Amino acid sequence: DIQMTQSPSSLSASVGDRVTITCRASQGIRNDLGWYQQKPGEAPKRLIYAGSGLQGGVPSRFSGSGSGTEFTLTISSLQPEDFATYYCLQHNSYPWTFGQGTKVEIK
Amino acid sequence: EVQLVESGGGLVQPGGSLRLSCAASGFTFSTWGMNWVRQAPGKGLEWVSYISGTTTTIHYADSVRGRFTISRDNAKNSLYLQMNTLRAEDTAVYYCARGYPIDFWGQGTLVTVSS
Repeated sequence: DIQMTQSPSSLSASVGDRVTITCRASQGIRNDLGWYQQKPGEAPKRLIYAGSGLQGGVPSRFSGSGSGTEFTLTISSLQPEDFATYYCLQHNSYPWTFGQGTKVEIK
Repeated sequence: EVQLVESGGGLVQPGGSLRLSCAASGFTFSTWGMNWVRQAPGKGLEWVSYISGTTTTIHYADSVRGRFTISRDNAKNSLYLQMNTLRAEDTAVYYCARGYPIDFWGQGTLVTVSS
């Protein structure tokens, strides 16, 4: 199985900060990775597909990069509505695996 | 508007069975692969199972293989998860999720396995 190591597990940041979250795959997954945002009590929502593609309707302050084994999600200027938990998901091979999640909290 | 509405969750004793359903609307259901993903209370996301639009391809997580069965009825725009021999560690919110890869999620249904 492919292991996805996501870091950090949590972070505190202020509105306007630049935030970067990383996912590392235990083996190469090309760009078969998506990023999802989940707010408390809600279903996850896809932000990024294929490593760097911005999902329709998602603000441009979100961006993804990477290929192979290392991927990043960047929020260029954190907004109040961005405080949530973020997950990466690899779909290169079964079983699909998620990162452990990164909880973004208000500083 | 795409909608996925799960149902069938509830309280069940260890060793029991439960069948989850997901009603889809707003898209051509038969052309989309579908998934079940679960989330234990306070924990992260775990992919459970995938079924292709034509049902020719099915995959399971090791943790549920042999106990859970995914199926679909394209005429009814519905996805199902038959869960047998349930364990306490199967307690979770179960999400129906569209796509290969996943692009849209339902709101989830809670399954609690407890005596």
